[in-house]
Amino acid sequence: SQQGEEDPQALSIQEGENATMNCSYKTSINNLQWYRQNSGRGLVHLILIRSNEREKHSGRLRVTLDTSKKSSSLLITASRAADTASYFCATASGGSYIPTFGRGTSLIVHP
Amino acid sequence: GAGVSQSPSNKVTEKGKDVELRCDPISGHTALYWYRQSLGQGLEFLIYFQGNSAPDKSGLPSDRFSAERTGGSVSTLTIQRTQQEDSAVYLCASTHPGGLMNTEAFFGQGTRLTVV
Repeated sequence: SQQGEEDPQALSIQEGENATMNCSYKTSINNLQWYRQNSGRGLVHLILIRSNEREKHSGRLRVTLDTSKKSSSLLITASRAADTASYFCATASGGSYIPTFGRGTSLIVHP
Repeated sequence: GAGVSQSPSNKVTEKGKDVELRCDPISGHTALYWYRQSLGQGLEFLIYFQGNSAPDKSGLPSDRFSAERTGGSVSTLTIQRTQQEDSAVYLCASTHPGGLMNTEAFFGQGTRLTVV
């Protein structure tokens, strides 16, 4: 079974709106990462948040982590058409060096 | 190289044939991962190499799948007697010696395998 699961599966918004996607996981983690994938090809790392952090920012991205609820959220503010992509969270539990990915959230930003 | 390089970019093969997929990681990255992604799905872990340690093969779906990493650098993933369900994008990633727990993974652009 997958460690991280994103929701919603699909999100469609207008340019300028904010996009929020969530990730839930099952077991304790050391850190959580968010990745972006364009056109079903290579993934690009967006942000890493450690288990002792609650919030992290990078440009228009804001990531939160709630270890008590085993969940994380990725907020993209003032979205652009170029943000259209799939977004995945990745976690590794315990001492594992093998991250697992969810099915992703497919984001479409309409110009 | 500047990034993780995978070849070929696309591969169409007939059912029953063997295929070899190549991954050239970022120089100095000791950890290398192979994942598989079927259409519209998440990433499925296949195999993990770390330095000179024995690889973690726990994700390989059958004995038709094998991988090696020569000299701690280039890796090849081999699929024998391909089946239609093997059709997917095969992604390779590498990380700094610290491992993916604490650092980002750098992904290649993948090999899109189509078995006809």
